[in-house]
Amino acid sequence: DGGITQSPKYLFRKEGQNVTLSCEQNLNHDAMYWYRQDPGQGLRLIYYSQIVNDFQKGDIAEGYSVSREKKESFPLTVTSAQKNPTDFYLCASSHLGQIYTGELFFGEGSRLTVL
Amino acid sequence: DAKTTQPTSMDCAEGRAANLPCNHSTISGNEYVYWYRQIHSQGPQYIIHGLKNNETNEMASLIITEDRKSSTLILPHATLRDTAVYYCIVRVESDYKLSFGAGTTVTVRA
Repeated sequence: DGGITQSPKYLFRKEGQNVTLSCEQNLNHDAMYWYRQDPGQGLRLIYYSQIVNDFQKGDIAEGYSVSREKKESFPLTVTSAQKNPTDFYLCASSHLGQIYTGELFFGEGSRLTVL
Repeated sequence: DAKTTQPTSMDCAEGRAANLPCNHSTISGNEYVYWYRQIHSQGPQYIIHGLKNNETNEMASLIITEDRKSSTLILPHATLRDTAVYYCIVRVESDYKLSFGAGTTVTVRA
């Protein structure tokens, strides 16, 4: 079954601690994205990557870091600089180029709580 | 700066058509209109998109006005499972990123 897998689904971190969220896709998509959703709000873009070993900052990149060492994987590290108490993180992927229709495929999300 | 404006919330009756409006008065010629929906605590799901012609698929219909300044997503026979937040998004053809606003919370009532 093709799709996007995010893990863990729930994660707790202490203040001052860095944590990493995993995102893996087997859709053979070139582009991958990380969004954050604050309670009752829309999605805000954190980082995105269109090719291996390359990525760009989105609208709210401060306090986060990413890597793209493999096409299938785009992990997100939430650093201690990120102060929000609870956030919902969504990973997505898409084609690029001529076969891109604007459709993003999303994972089920990871909910991070700061203790 | 918001490219689209949607009502915050709306109710509709199960079995009836749900018409979701979206204003995008500053849309330019190379921008597409997209609709996604997000069921509670899940990732958003693509519904439909269009440039200037009306579009229909198995999920919904998209009606875009002739001046392209507004559009309506139509769910022909709403069910309780259609309760979700619906996002109207404008995307430039050359841009791969999508920007999601607050959307419209649609509640389908029995």
